Amino acid sequence: KNEVEQSPQNLTAQEGEFITINCSYSVGISALHWLQQHPGGGIVSLFMLSSGKKKHGRLIATINIQEKHSSLHITASHPRDSAVYICAVGADGLTFGKGTHLIIQP
Amino acid sequence: GAVVSQHPSWVICKSGTSVKIECRSLDFQATTMFWYRQFPKQSLMLMATSNEGSKATYEQGVEKDKFLINHASLTLSTLTVTSAHPEDSSFYICSARVIFETQYFGPGTRLLVL
Repeated sequence: KNEVEQSPQNLTAQEGEFITINCSYSVGISALHWLQQHPGGGIVSLFMLSSGKKKHGRLIATINIQEKHSSLHITASHPRDSAVYICAVGADGLTFGKGTHLIIQP
Repeated sequence: GAVVSQHPSWVICKSGTSVKIECRSLDFQATTMFWYRQFPKQSLMLMATSNEGSKATYEQGVEKDKFLINHASLTLSTLTVTSAHPEDSSFYICSARVIFETQYFGPGTRLLVL
């Protein structure tokens, strides 16, 4: 069973700061997902990636398959980015990390 | 983008009753749907994988006779919690996927069993 570790668990930053969230997993995978969960529980899929780097707006996700590591970056962070960010791995049913609680203060 | 709906969003029921949760892909046909649950302050956990027209595959520790999954069409999967007990109180969320593509998540259903 794949173990997914995220860091940091909690992160508070000021508006405008560059944010990095890290994810490590124990077993080789075919796909890694970055998800965003809002206080009401709803989940939005941000990225699915299997190699390299993807960018969407202010969000950037990278993955290093050899090191079994992925990072999610947020540039020019904004209070509306406050949410729980979850790393998940798997080709079918996903195995999730515990999430990173991000708070961006104005 | 692809939209997945769940109904109901909230349900409160008495212990011993059954509760049905629907998951629908609104603008695409999903080859596979997944059911997850999340207990307070814990990670999401996969419960079962459901393919249209076939029996669901349950994760270890998930009772298939208690959590009945029906995937009758490419746009609808249902999860029925039978004889619900307080320990089944949780946040249930489904996702739907077209093969080899990302999963799209429903908004979730909060179940409280009294």
